[in-house]
Parts: sequence; C-alpha cells; structure tokens
Amino acid sequence: DGGITQSPKYLFRKEGQNVTLSCEQNLNHDAMYWYRQDPGQGLRLIYYSQIVNDFQKGDIAEGYSVSREKKESFPLTVTSAQKNPTAFYLCASQWTGVGQPQHFGDGTRLSIL
Amino acid sequence: QKEVEQNSGPLSVPEGAIASLNCTYSDRGSQSFFWYRQYSGKSPELIMFIYSNGDKEDGRFTAQLNKASQYVSLLIRDSQPSDSATYLCAVNNNDMRFGAGTRLTVKP
Repeated sequence: DGGITQSPKYLFRKEGQNVTLSCEQNLNHDAMYWYRQDPGQGLRLIYYSQIVNDFQKGDIAEGYSVSREKKESFPLTVTSAQKNPTAFYLCASQWTGVGQPQHFGDGTRLSIL
Repeated sequence: QKEVEQNSGPLSVPEGAIASLNCTYSDRGSQSFFWYRQYSGKSPELIMFIYSNGDKEDGRFTAQLNKASQYVSLLIRDSQPSDSATYLCAVNNNDMRFGAGTRLTVKP
C-alpha cells in the first residue's frame, strides 16, 4: 500500500533532550513537509524539502532540524532549543507543481515529561 | 490579516441538513484550493479540490470557488453524524497555506 508512515505515534521528551520523528513515504513524491499543529490552531510549516539534499525553513523552524538524504525519508529532530515542543506533528508529501494536493501521515504526538 | 481565514465554529447542523463551510484567502495569485477533513486526534484527509471558478460536485460534497471575491466554500448535503469533524481550507500558490479550520457537529 502506498502511503506516508510516521513513527512513533506518541513520543515523550525529557528536559534537554533531542528527539527525532520519522517520516517515510513510498508514493515517489518529490516534496515533503513538516507541520506543527497546536490545539484549536491550523497547521504551521516547520521545514520543507522539494528535492533530495535540499530543504528550506518554514514559518517556525527555530528549535527544529531536518535532513533529506533519501527521497523517501524526511526525519525531523526537535532539539532542546525548542522550549515548547508539545504538539501534534504532521508529515506530508506531494508531487511538485501548483495544483498538487498534499497527503498526510498519521502524525506523531509529542509531549514533555 | 491571516492568509487563509475560516470561522472556527463550532457549526452545528441537524442530521440531513446542508452544512456550509466558508473560507477566504488573501493571495490573489492563488491557483488551487483544497478542503481537508480532520477527525479529532487524526491527521487531515483530502476530500475536495477545485481550480476553476464555479462549482465542483463529488457525491454529497460541493466545492465552490469565486476568485474575484477570494472566496471558497464547501457544502455538505444530507449531513451525517459521521461528518462531524474539523474542516481545513488550504490554498496553494507557490506554497500551501492552511486555515485554522471550522469544527462541524452534525446532531442526530
């Protein structure tokens, strides 16, 4: 089945710890995205990548880092510099070009211990 | 001004009624428009997209686009309790921008 797999589903972070959220897609999409969603709010873009080995900051990149070493994979690291990491994190992918919809993984819910 | 605006709701309609969800956007160059449904605790799923002015129908769903007014809407006919969710409007020019969503409740 083609799709986007995010893991883990739930993640807990200790003070001063970096954690990495996994996102893998087998849709052969070129572009991949990371969003953060807080209760009652819309999706805010953290980072995106349109090709391998290249990525750009979104609106709220501070305290986060990414890599894009393979087309299928776009992991997000939440660093200790992100002081308020508790949120629902969504990974999306799409074909590049205007008019293409984004498709989402099931999300990772991150909480602070 | 937010780039994509939606009434947060909640919007409550009785079962069988028409639910009307509205969205306005600020970027006149926007070319494609999407509606996503998000159940509580789940990720968004694409339900409709529209590129041209006018109406686009898919089953019980109709998307309406008016680029001159920078307005896009989603109508849900014969609303069912299973339609209760948050509906996100997304607008794409060079990048995708999402509204905060409208929470819809369909009461049996």
